[in-house]
Amino acid sequence: RKEVEQDPGPFNVPEGATVAFNCTYSNSASQSFFWYRQDCRKEPKLLMSVYSSGNEDGRFTAQLNRASQYISLLIRDSKLSDSATYLCVVNRVFGNEKLTFGTGTRLTIIP
Amino acid sequence: EAQVTQNPRYLITVTGKKLTVTCSQNMNHEYMSWYRQDPGLGLRQIYYSMNVEVTDKGDVPEGYKVSRKEKRNFPLILESPSPNQTSLYFCASRVGFGTYTPLDSYNEQFFGPGTRLTVL
Repeated sequence: RKEVEQDPGPFNVPEGATVAFNCTYSNSASQSFFWYRQDCRKEPKLLMSVYSSGNEDGRFTAQLNRASQYISLLIRDSKLSDSATYLCVVNRVFGNEKLTFGTGTRLTIIP
Repeated sequence: EAQVTQNPRYLITVTGKKLTVTCSQNMNHEYMSWYRQDPGLGLRQIYYSMNVEVTDKGDVPEGYKVSRKEKRNFPLILESPSPNQTSLYFCASRVGFGTYTPLDSYNEQFFGPGTRLTVL
C-alpha cells in the first residue's frame, strides 16, 4: 500500500463549480499535512497547510481526519487558473523527518 | 529574489557518461534535498542534506551521489547514468529540519524549476 494515496483523476470541472479531492495516508505517525500545487512541467508550490481543526484560505478549504487518516481539499467557485495537479503531502517525524508526496490529482477547469 | 536554481534545465546524454546537475539556493536554508518525479510514481526523494557536510539517502538513492560542501549548493551526480534514470529532477530547500512541533507552522519547502534528463 502506498504511504500517501490520491485519486489521479483527471477531474474535468466547469468553471464556477465546487470540487473536492481526498487523500489517504497509511502511517499513523504522520504529524503534518499539506497541499501543494503543480502546474504542467513546473515545480510544486505550497498551496496550504492542513490543520487539525480545518482551515480556509479564500476559496480553498482543507480538512484533516486523523481517525480515518485522510485529508481533503475543497475548491469553491473554481477558476480557469485552478487547473493544475494537486499534490497531497504528509510529513512524519520518525527518526528522520520525511515528506512523502502523493502522485497528485489532475484538475482541469472547463470554460 | 529568493529562489532555488538548477542547471541544466534540459539534458540529453548517453549511458555511462558522468554528469552533474547543480542546485543552488540563496535563502540560507539548512535543509536541501533532491527528488525525481516519474509518471504514476510521484515525487520520490533521492538524497537529502540537513546541513553542510551532512547528507543521507532518501527513498531511491541508487545510482546517485551528492555533496554538500557549502550551504547554498547541493549538486546531484550521476556517475554512470542509465536509461532508467530518465526523469524530471527537482532540487528543494527549506529553512530547517527537525524543528517541527504539532503547533509549528510549516517550514515551506521551495523547489527549483526542475531538470528534465533523458539518458539514451
